[in-house]
Amino acid sequence: ETGVTQTPRHLVMGMTNKKSLKCEQHLGHNAMYWYKQSAKKPLELMFVYSLEERVENNSVPSRFSPECPNSSHLFLHLHTLQPEDSALYLCASSQAYRSTNEKLFFGSGTQLSVL
Amino acid sequence: QKEVEQDPGPLSVPEGAIVSLNCTYSNSAFQYFMWYRQYSRKGPELLMYTYSSGNKEDGRFTAQVDKSSKYISLFIRDSQPSDSATYLCAMSGYNQGGKLIFGQGTELSVKP
Repeated sequence: ETGVTQTPRHLVMGMTNKKSLKCEQHLGHNAMYWYKQSAKKPLELMFVYSLEERVENNSVPSRFSPECPNSSHLFLHLHTLQPEDSALYLCASSQAYRSTNEKLFFGSGTQLSVL
Repeated sequence: QKEVEQDPGPLSVPEGAIVSLNCTYSNSAFQYFMWYRQYSRKGPELLMYTYSSGNKEDGRFTAQVDKSSKYISLFIRDSQPSDSATYLCAMSGYNQGGKLIFGQGTELSVKP
């Protein structure tokens, strides 16, 4: 396994469901990120973890709940989502948090549809 | 005003054409400039990385930074259908604490 792996690749859920997105990085990085990508919009940074500690939460609704049990794994728990939450959710990692030449390595994303 | 502006396209060119992709930005403190390529149903991958002004070349790709105009470009020579993707610019600086700011991406289609 190399790089950043995300599961599932696709997810369809109703507004009352609870589901989780999983991310695993095999790069030995210390920082992990969740981004939301909607059509024709810039990537939106949601959460950042550095050394398993949450260091950024960018005004994300509480129906999104991140978890980082160790430096290689990151989860995004979803509950009572809204249709406007439908998007591609990308996990990324970097060597260190907020190094001035931060380079992100992304997973393939989870395409989420909320019905 | 957005910090980073990028024309979303779509941009369609014939195979073999020279492609020019561009971003403008407003924050003069940006020092690090990147281009990511994102294929359909995939995550972005880092394509080019430059620091401060100047050019950087890698095969058919050239990244150019003009800090005086707050303008960056990515040139693709001899474009191929396999170059069809969305290209995102991203940048950061010391006053951003290293936080990457992304453009919205330009969708490129290279027709055989």
